[in-house]
Amino acid sequence: QQQVKQSPQSLIVQKGGISIINCAYENTAFDYFPWYQQFPGKGPALLIAIRPDVSEKKEGRFTISFNKSAKQFSLHIMDSQPGDSATYFCAASIGGGADGLTFGKGTHLIIQP
Amino acid sequence: KAGVTQTPRYLIKTRGQQVTLSCSPISGHRSVSWYQQTPGQGLQFLFEYFSETQRNKGNFPGRFSGRQFSNSRSEMNVSTLELGDSALYLCASSFSRGQGETQYFGPGTRLLVL
Repeated sequence: QQQVKQSPQSLIVQKGGISIINCAYENTAFDYFPWYQQFPGKGPALLIAIRPDVSEKKEGRFTISFNKSAKQFSLHIMDSQPGDSATYFCAASIGGGADGLTFGKGTHLIIQP
Repeated sequence: KAGVTQTPRYLIKTRGQQVTLSCSPISGHRSVSWYQQTPGQGLQFLFEYFSETQRNKGNFPGRFSGRQFSNSRSEMNVSTLELGDSALYLCASSFSRGQGETQYFGPGTRLLVL
């Protein structure tokens, strides 16, 4: 049972455009929703995270939008740059990650110059 | 501060063998989690250790085991290897198990089972 569904699988965006990746979850006990960025040959690195008591969190060009009633959250990358080309994973956990992160399947993002 | 280190980085084994992977967390971090990453299943949680005790376990067979030492270093063992165990094994550490604790991932050990 896939508890976190991520879409799209792959995404091509022009430089300067907005990249949008969506995730939906099933377990209403989830209370921590991080996004990770992974470059080839590297481990995932935390990009930004949100809790369900806020609807939006912004850090630089990265914004998480959270819709608790719809059980959905999304990552927006503004002014996308070629250096943003990577695989992005959404995740969810109970208790801040101590019980293990449940990851989406990932989105391979390519920013075309 | 040095990041999470994992050794070895690459490993080739044959079916039926066993393997031990090592993880050194960031200095001061006491929680270590292990994940398996495959193209088909993505990133899946294996188990988490804190203060030398396994606190949580994912849905993996008993062939997968681990331990944590008093210096927080952790090892993961897979016995009776199967072809499907070929994957990137990632270790992540965090300072504690509290709310909002960031998990920092290492570069992983890529295991190929022939």
